[in-house]
Amino acid sequence: NAGVTQTPKFQVLKTGQSMTLQCAQDMNHEYMSWYRQDPGMGLRLIHYSVGAGITDQGEVPNGYNVSRSTTEDFPLRLLSAAPSQTSVYFCASSYSNLPSYEQYFGPGTRLTVT
Amino acid sequence: SQQGEEDPQALSIQEGENATMNCSYKTSINNLQWYRQNSGRGLVHLILIRSNEREKHSGRLRVTLDTSKKSSSLLITASRAADTASYFCATLEVDRGSTLGRLYFGRGTQLTVWP
Repeated sequence: NAGVTQTPKFQVLKTGQSMTLQCAQDMNHEYMSWYRQDPGMGLRLIHYSVGAGITDQGEVPNGYNVSRSTTEDFPLRLLSAAPSQTSVYFCASSYSNLPSYEQYFGPGTRLTVT
Repeated sequence: SQQGEEDPQALSIQEGENATMNCSYKTSINNLQWYRQNSGRGLVHLILIRSNEREKHSGRLRVTLDTSKKSSSLLITASRAADTASYFCATLEVDRGSTLGRLYFGRGTQLTVWP
């Protein structure tokens, strides 16, 4: 199994541009989530999904959009990039619709917005 | 939102010594998890302790949970240079009457183990 994969690994955007961060898992996990990690802030939950067609907001959802059309994929869309969205983004998945099980993390996408 | 807080923020020890990190949280939880992150990498799950458990072991790791004090500790025994990483606690908050849960992470403890 490839586990959780994320693309791209690095991205530089100009303010106002939009883009989609890709996340895919091949473990048939129902629960998927997106976090951002900023220095000194730990990880903060952006959006999560408990199954195909079901998503909900986390702590910091503003400026981000998600959809879950398949079990495998959970893309994160930045609608109009801002410098405050400069961060490292992690996608994670787990077996259950409750994150009672261990979360499997992708390698991260480092995003810089200028 | 609930968030665990790790203490200390940074810890520096020699190989062979034990490392203890603490995590405090604010409200009732379903479980508490510890993760490790090597520099520039994703997080890796270490251990999960449920709210009705008090202690759990996995190899050189020992986790305790005190729900009355809303705190947990992670002990790494006989540390090695390869244990150098950031360690995060994560608390599971389950909405009342719901099957949905959110996992909240603390800011982490940076552990450095010197050879």
